[in-house]
Amino acid sequence: GAGVSQSPRYKVAKRGQDVALRCDPISGHVSLFWYQQALGQGPEFLTYFQNEAQLDKSGLPSDRFFAERPEGSVSTLKIQRTQQEDSAVYLCASSATSGSRGETQYFGPGTRLLVL
Amino acid sequence: QKEVEQDPGPLSVPEGAIVSLNCTYSNSAFQYFMWYRQYSRKGPELLMYTYSSGNKEDGRFTAQVDKSSKYISLFIRDSQPSDSATYLCASVTGTYKYIFGTGTRLKVLA
Repeated sequence: GAGVSQSPRYKVAKRGQDVALRCDPISGHVSLFWYQQALGQGPEFLTYFQNEAQLDKSGLPSDRFFAERPEGSVSTLKIQRTQQEDSAVYLCASSATSGSRGETQYFGPGTRLLVL
Repeated sequence: QKEVEQDPGPLSVPEGAIVSLNCTYSNSAFQYFMWYRQYSRKGPELLMYTYSSGNKEDGRFTAQVDKSSKYISLFIRDSQPSDSATYLCASVTGTYKYIFGTGTRLKVLA
């Protein structure tokens, strides 16, 4: 595809439900990133994949958050037992190679999650 | 203290004005500096990318980095209503972990 796509665009969940957010990176991009953007804030790093390997998950807020990229392309961010504080926009980004040396990251439109 | 600080605004200017957007940062190891534009309910879109100190110009946009004062600027000349958006500065060391400011909301009035 031409850019990074994410689905669903909007998700409303009841507190305690599990949710799964999908990211389709730019075709052929090696690196994939997930960010969380709270209202009125900048994106904050959650996790980084190089191909199928999750090399950094230091930004995941709790063990309720889990991400995978099993075949090195599509990625899923899963949040178990959602809490109200999980309400945010979840952004996915991809870059062409390793992502290092400040390589440009291309962002998707985000999934807006609202936990009631 | 956040590693990248940015005034959240909002900033309102008349059409045609020169806009100055600024960030400060605290990490001396930052080497790469980016400006992203984010329209409401959209993802961030890369505007400018600068390595180390200096100026970079692209059309109506100029990015400036002063590493001695840890100051990042974006200038928009001849601002248009279509420039109304949130502008995010970001910095990174030699790795992949972008650190973003909070974003400045800009409104250009017709």
